[in-house]
Amino acid sequence: DVVMTQSPLSLPVTLGQPASISCRSSQSLVSSDGNTYLTWFHQRPGQSPRRLISQSSNRDSGVPDRFSGSGSGTDFTLKISRVEAEDVGVYYCMQGTHWPLTFGGGTKVEIK
Amino acid sequence: EVQLVESGGGLVKPGGSLRLSCAASGFSFSNAWMSWVRQAPGKGLEWTGRIKSKIFGGTTEYAAPIRGRFIISRDDSKNMVYLEMNSLKTEDTGVYYCVGNSNMWGQGTLVTVSS
Repeated sequence: DVVMTQSPLSLPVTLGQPASISCRSSQSLVSSDGNTYLTWFHQRPGQSPRRLISQSSNRDSGVPDRFSGSGSGTDFTLKISRVEAEDVGVYYCMQGTHWPLTFGGGTKVEIK
Repeated sequence: EVQLVESGGGLVKPGGSLRLSCAASGFSFSNAWMSWVRQAPGKGLEWTGRIKSKIFGGTTEYAAPIRGRFIISRDDSKNMVYLEMNSLKTEDTGVYYCVGNSNMWGQGTLVTVSS
């Protein structure tokens, strides 16, 4: 199985400041169709996960533009340009290129 | 409005069975690949299995921990997807989410396997 490694595990941030989460895969996520199936989710406490970004950098409809995804191959990053209070929770990366689909262990974002 | 509503969770003894259902609405269900993702208490997310849309053969794929014990099926005429869980183990305890195409998630249903 493809192992997804996220860092850091915990990320205390100051409101209005930027934040960055890293996600690394044990294999390249470039699919045979040329696409890279790396997805980012956000799960607020007590809620279901919500997809933020697909194919490494495509932001979902309704997701604020302060969220951006980048990366290729095995190295990916989720950035929040200016953290807001509603951004707290756990962020997960997930690879959809190889079966079984696998998630990173999660990064907990909290406000300092 | 997109809705995925899971039901069927509950308390079951080890070795027992349970059937989860997921009712979908607000999107083209027959074209969606449907999955079940679970989350053990206080833990991360685990993709357990998925069923492709009929146009892609309607085939199923399962993660190793549940292969041979769980079965995913769908009824496109009713916009329903199911998860039949057999030979349940304590480590199967968690919230089970019904997921459509990775971007549509239900609220989850709790399954507790305990004696």
